[in-house]
Amino acid sequence: GDSVTQMEGPVTLSEEAFLTINCTYTATGYPSLFWYVQYPGEGLQLLLKATKADDKGSNKGFEATYRKETTSFHLEKGSVQVSDSAVYFCALSAGTGNQFYFGTGTSLTVIP
Amino acid sequence: NAGVTQTPKFQVLKTGQSMTLQCAQDMNHNSMYWYRQDPGMGLRLIYYSASEGTTDKGEVPNGYNVSRLNKREFSLRLESAAPSQTSVYFCAMVGTVNTEAFFGQGTRLTVV
Repeated sequence: GDSVTQMEGPVTLSEEAFLTINCTYTATGYPSLFWYVQYPGEGLQLLLKATKADDKGSNKGFEATYRKETTSFHLEKGSVQVSDSAVYFCALSAGTGNQFYFGTGTSLTVIP
Repeated sequence: NAGVTQTPKFQVLKTGQSMTLQCAQDMNHNSMYWYRQDPGMGLRLIYYSASEGTTDKGEVPNGYNVSRLNKREFSLRLESAAPSQTSVYFCAMVGTVNTEAFFGQGTRLTVV
């Protein structure tokens, strides 16, 4: 069945460091791919998305490219800030009923 | 998280008690979902409703029931709460195929 596997955390980085969070997926069709962010005590918010192969999603300095050949959608940011501290979830949507499948989440802490 | 309202935000139940978690959306979307979030497990789908009048089981439906009262509301019921149901519950909605999911703020449930 469809699934998402993402890099386990927690991840701790210094401010201005480069961030990569790996995400790979398994899907039978042509899914859309998403990154969601969850700040403490809040629900999930969409960070970026890509709906077809080779699309690049970007938002707030974060980027991810939909790679069909490697079934990946890795999240990157060139220079993280303390305010980026949160839990990041990779997700895919495919199939009837628009089912969403989420990874287990990666906790990021950025220290000054 | 505009558009999806969950009530209550916090709840403590005794084992064996019942309760209903409410979810309402104001974006006229067809698909609605209930997830539970547990540490290290990511989000797991409990039930979903692709349209008014239809519901389907997700990954972890045991111990829960749902009701899609109308297009706007999707409730989750615990008939006899168990400590294993201690979790954070999120309601979400999706508009059309492969668009993003919008989440509520969550309900933090503790069963003692």
